[in-house]
Amino acid sequence: GAVVSQHPSRVICKSGTSVKIECRSLDFQATTMFWYRQFPKKSLMLMATSNEGSKATYEQGVEKDKFLINHASLTLSTLTVTSAHPEDSSFYICSARGSVAGIHNEQFFGPGTRLTVL
Amino acid sequence: ELKVEQNPLFLSMQEGKNYTIYCNYSTTSDRLYWYRQDPGKSLESLFVLLSNGAVKQEGRLMASLDTKARLSTLHITAAVHDLSATYFCAVDRGAQKLVFGQGTRLTINP
Repeated sequence: GAVVSQHPSRVICKSGTSVKIECRSLDFQATTMFWYRQFPKKSLMLMATSNEGSKATYEQGVEKDKFLINHASLTLSTLTVTSAHPEDSSFYICSARGSVAGIHNEQFFGPGTRLTVL
Repeated sequence: ELKVEQNPLFLSMQEGKNYTIYCNYSTTSDRLYWYRQDPGKSLESLFVLLSNGAVKQEGRLMASLDTKARLSTLHITAAVHDLSATYFCAVDRGAQKLVFGQGTRLTINP
């Protein structure tokens, strides 16, 4: 149990295009999903928190118009990188928190999406 | 602002040896996590520590938490090559919003 998937796992796009990344909780309902960004050989930085049915909360310094987050259902959140540029190239990881029997105080991480913007 | 610092950032050790990774954090928190990350992969949860004095062990890894000192340790006993990875601690700053340490890149040589 407590599996989180992301799609796609890798994406390469041209500068100026938009890219959508999906994060799904496969076997539990995720009341909250988190989006992190990780540069090569660096740590993870929280970008935003999304709760089902409400607007995402963005961390300081993260442009909400650039990184659009939608959490339309209890099993799906999407991150859209709009008008992507090479500096947006990064490893994007989502995590989900919800009702998982026997497991408390944890969030479960997806496998990550590697975005390369040319 | 919560800051989380790990040391060392790089650790190269021989199989069979013991070592400890330290995680210091700057403000009070209810929860501390340890994760493992292999190259090109996402995070694998190792431990969740919820209270002062908490100690958890899984195989050759043992984690402890001292909330008064704002310090957690990850101890590796008799290291084996398979434990080579990057290890992160992360502290909950509230509502499970995690602040991660810089990571410790562990290399275990035969």
